[in-house]
Amino acid sequence: QVALVQSGAEVKKPGSSVKVSCRASGDTLNNYLINWVRQGPGQGFEWMGGINPMSKTKYAHKFQDRVTITADEVSSTAYMELTSLRSDDTAIYFCARGDLITFAGVIASGAFDLWGQGTVISVSS
Amino acid sequence: DIVMTQSPDSLAVSLGERATINCRSSQSVLSTSNGVSYLAWYQQKAGQPPKLLFHMASTREIGVPDRFSGRGSGTDFSLTISSLQADDVAVYFCQQYYSSPITFGQGTRLEIK
Repeated sequence: QVALVQSGAEVKKPGSSVKVSCRASGDTLNNYLINWVRQGPGQGFEWMGGINPMSKTKYAHKFQDRVTITADEVSSTAYMELTSLRSDDTAIYFCARGDLITFAGVIASGAFDLWGQGTVISVSS
Repeated sequence: DIVMTQSPDSLAVSLGERATINCRSSQSVLSTSNGVSYLAWYQQKAGQPPKLLFHMASTREIGVPDRFSGRGSGTDFSLTISSLQADDVAVYFCQQYYSSPITFGQGTRLEIK
């Protein structure tokens, strides 16, 4: 059974950083683009960015200065690091897999057909 | 950025009745080169990650009951449940993956009347 397994919940202080992992169990990352999405309390989803099998990343403008997404092919694990944490970064963070689609000459993500269980990040002083 | 707007924000429908959720994008998500609308629908139950129901606006995922249907093209889309079951209580989201940044609708909460 293929699954994306995320690291556990964390409580962080404002100004600190957090790194969340997402391991592909029963599969590899090779054929997919891994996206990171967050869901604030009672809110909708914000796409933060993604990484393709060639380790090329794309970030949402809002997070570009604070987020780094990486992947380790050997362990089939993707990572999302968010720095300079603020209280409004409190959210559930999800990784989600998308098929590779080629669109206008660019490799992009298809719809998210597999999601991790989510990681709760709480930022509080 | 493409803004996705769903309507209504919440919906209460009797068991066995039809439920329809609408989603509108601020720009077209239709590729003129292949005729595909890059629009997905998700179902999220309490305490769970979302589940993909449809991609390319109307392509149902394996295992999704056929009482669910997705329609639309360009900027206007809909998700319909033809006969509401108790298990369908959830929040439903649309998402465009036509252009970066990928964006989501605000969600529609579906309840039993």
